[in-house]
Amino acid sequence: GAGVSQSPSNKVTEKGKDVELRCDPISGHTALYWYRQSLGQGLEFLIYFQGNSAPDKSGLPSDRFSAERTGGSVSTLTIQRTQQEDSAVYLCASSSPAAAGGLSYNEQFFGPGTRLTVL
Amino acid sequence: GDSVTQMEGPVTLSEEAFLTINCTYTATGYPSLFWYVQYPGEGLQLLLKATKADDKGSNKGFEATYRKETTSFHLEKGSVQVSDSAVYFCALSDGPALGGSNYKLTFGKGTLLTVNP
Repeated sequence: GAGVSQSPSNKVTEKGKDVELRCDPISGHTALYWYRQSLGQGLEFLIYFQGNSAPDKSGLPSDRFSAERTGGSVSTLTIQRTQQEDSAVYLCASSSPAAAGGLSYNEQFFGPGTRLTVL
Repeated sequence: GDSVTQMEGPVTLSEEAFLTINCTYTATGYPSLFWYVQYPGEGLQLLLKATKADDKGSNKGFEATYRKETTSFHLEKGSVQVSDSAVYFCALSDGPALGGSNYKLTFGKGTLLTVNP
């Protein structure tokens, strides 16, 4: 079946502009995560959605970052007034207790990422 | 807070050499431990995991043992291949592995492995 998909694959923007990054999780997965992968910082957790529960936003680096998940499926990560330090690869992952074929009950399946470059 | 420290590399080996990538962690409670791999041009994939002390995770010839006394989860492979060239990430999840719960992962900074023929 289809894996996690993200769009766009690459995004170049100018400092100060807003950007939206999209994630389509694996169908039926109830949990969705956003991470950021940047040089020197490695992989950092940003935000986590689980079903209809309030999201865990504890990893968002500033109030310029926000995310929503519509209908328990697709998620959009929005970065307002982008800064050069926002340049990174933004990764989305999804998981479900009932995920088939996973190595573990808690396996997170990652998308290919969106590479964001802020000029 | 939770943290994961792994050797940053890069690590360069010849084919059939023995591989060890060290990983230690700091966490409250009893985390689950994971190794993820990122092959060139591909997304992150789970390589192996362990959910409690003394568990050994294994997959594709790779192994790692959950050592609570040393808070470590070192990755090993007896004979690496060129196709093992990738970035390897050690990670922990502070939630329970069973019971339908899903929790964020805390990652190390990754270790680039290059295997030469």
